[in-house]
Amino acid sequence: KQEVTQIPAALSVPEGENLVLNCSFTDSAIYNLQWFRQDPGKGLTSLLLIQSSQREQTSGRLNASLDKSSGRSTLYIAASQPGDSATYLCAVDAGNNRKLIWGLGTSLAVNP
Amino acid sequence: NAGVTQTPKFQVLKTGQSMTLQCAQDMNHNSMYWYRQDPGMGLRLIYYSASEGTTDKGEVPNGYNVSRLNKREFSLRLESAAPSQTSVYFCASRTGVNEQYFGPGTRLTVT
Repeated sequence: KQEVTQIPAALSVPEGENLVLNCSFTDSAIYNLQWFRQDPGKGLTSLLLIQSSQREQTSGRLNASLDKSSGRSTLYIAASQPGDSATYLCAVDAGNNRKLIWGLGTSLAVNP
Repeated sequence: NAGVTQTPKFQVLKTGQSMTLQCAQDMNHNSMYWYRQDPGMGLRLIYYSASEGTTDKGEVPNGYNVSRLNKREFSLRLESAAPSQTSVYFCASRTGVNEQYFGPGTRLTVT
């Protein structure tokens, strides 16, 4: 059974730091992995989707990597800003009728 | 292009009352989903519809019913609300193995 874990559960950093959020999954047979952002009281916004054949995806200051063999993905945020404060969730698509398997998220606080 | 819309945004029900949460998407997506989100539990799938005319149970379907009215609309019904159904409900849609898009959510309180 596919399980997704995100460590740490919470992270607090000063503004300007580069940081890495981690996502691990137990079964390497995935179609893709998706990173989302959720602001308090809001819905989820898709940040990056990495297909199983890809190693990384980049969008602005965000870079997501995927290592299927080790069951890991990282989300790298460069030069963090207070506006990056949110919860970041990862989800894997294992192809089971298009259902996603979710991690519990990492709550990020970037302090001015 | 509104994306995924949900109504209502907030709702308070008494135990035993019924209600329907509405969801619509204008992205021509085949698959639609209903999730609930609770503190410490993460996102849990209630029901999903892989394509128009089909629906399937997710992890936590008890106490809920769904209708895929057409390709655009997917509704979630609580027939007899219970306090355990107090949660934030999200609708989402996607096509194939592409990105999943979410609505803004409905905050439901059952007293």
